[in-house]
Amino acid sequence: GNSVTQMEGPVTLSEEAFLTINCTYTATGYPSLFWYVQYPGEGLQLLLKATKADDKGSNKGFEATYRKETTSFHLEKGSVQVSDSAVYFCALRYSSASKIIFGSGTRLSIRP
Amino acid sequence: GAGVSQSPSNKVTEKGKDVELRCDPISGHTALYWYRQSLGQGLEFLIYFQGNSAPDKSGLPSDRFSAERTGGSVSTLTIQRTQQEDSAVYLCASSLLDNYEQYFGPGTRLTVT
Repeated sequence: GNSVTQMEGPVTLSEEAFLTINCTYTATGYPSLFWYVQYPGEGLQLLLKATKADDKGSNKGFEATYRKETTSFHLEKGSVQVSDSAVYFCALRYSSASKIIFGSGTRLSIRP
Repeated sequence: GAGVSQSPSNKVTEKGKDVELRCDPISGHTALYWYRQSLGQGLEFLIYFQGNSAPDKSGLPSDRFSAERTGGSVSTLTIQRTQQEDSAVYLCASSLLDNYEQYFGPGTRLTVT
């Protein structure tokens, strides 16, 4: 079946460090891929998305590229800030379906 | 404008009791979704409403779970005879149309003792 696997946390980094959170998926066909973020005490928010192979989604300094050959959608940021501390969810969705399939989430903590 | 709201924000109930969780979607959004976020299970889809169409109930874990959406707006998720494994954060989301970006509410944290 369709699924999303992301690296387990927690991930703890120092401010200005480089961030990578790995995400791979199993799916038939060509889903759209997403990263959602959940800041402490807030609801889930869409961070970025990519709808087809080789697309790069970007927002707030974060980037992820839809890699069909490796079925991956790794999240990266060149220089993290304390305010990036949150839980990050990788997800997929088919255009013909309504539900989003989420990964288990990765908790990121950035220390000053 | 106002986002998706959910109530209550926290609910503690005894095993075997029924609970109702409420979701107020963004005004004008025709699609509404319920998800559950539990430890060790991540986020899982429960049910989806789109306009007047029959809901997609494929994610409901058992017949103790049901949901309705009245007047195409507010939705209520009901869990009957709650069990400890029902403890989780229940998230509601809405979107303008199916396949558009989903906006999530803050969730209801349910604890079954």
